[in-house]
Amino acid sequence: KNEVEQSPQNLTAQEGEFITINCSYSVGISALHWLQQHPGGGIVSLFMLSSGKKKHGRLIATINIQEKHSSLHITASHPRDSAVYICAPPRGGGSQGNLIFGKGTKLSVKP
Amino acid sequence: ETGVTQSPTHLIKTRGQQVTLRCSSQSGHNTVSWYQQALGQGPQFIFQYYREEENGRGNFPPRFSGLQFPNYSSELNVNALELDDSALYLCASSPGLASNNEQFFGPGTRLTVL
Repeated sequence: KNEVEQSPQNLTAQEGEFITINCSYSVGISALHWLQQHPGGGIVSLFMLSSGKKKHGRLIATINIQEKHSSLHITASHPRDSAVYICAPPRGGGSQGNLIFGKGTKLSVKP
Repeated sequence: ETGVTQSPTHLIKTRGQQVTLRCSSQSGHNTVSWYQQALGQGPQFIFQYYREEENGRGNFPPRFSGLQFPNYSSELNVNALELDDSALYLCASSPGLASNNEQFFGPGTRLTVL
């Protein structure tokens, strides 16, 4: 079983739809990162969550530390949201910054 | 405030050669992590440097080595290149070791080994 599982792996949506991406993890300490990677390869950090919920614009992230589960929501999706979304808990221990990356969810938003 | 930069952006090498990739951390950040991302896969942790010392290493052979300089910029060196080393190499800087520190990623260096 992978340490970080994301679902769905691929997602196609129409512009304006509400998007949910789920992440379950079996390792890591009490925090999780959500990242966005565009086709060119650059990665942007969206959220770092240790509890509850965070909101940036149309993006909302929630986390349940006890259940080791997090969700990323996109409201009123737009074609520019098309990217790969990756959840990544830190492994912890001696390398607190060592992130364990999920395989990502490839989102395509059609106009 | 300058973000994380990496050089070069693209690089082509042949098997057996050596390569050095460079990363300039964001201003005020003393921690740099390096990741390898093979095509279609998520990034894999190579190692992390904190205040010029290696602070953790992933499952990579010793021919992957690194340095961090007093200004906290960093290098990744790979010796005896193999075809499977072809990947996007990402560095990320953060303001310290705490797990709840946000990591800021550079644009990556795409290495092709022929």
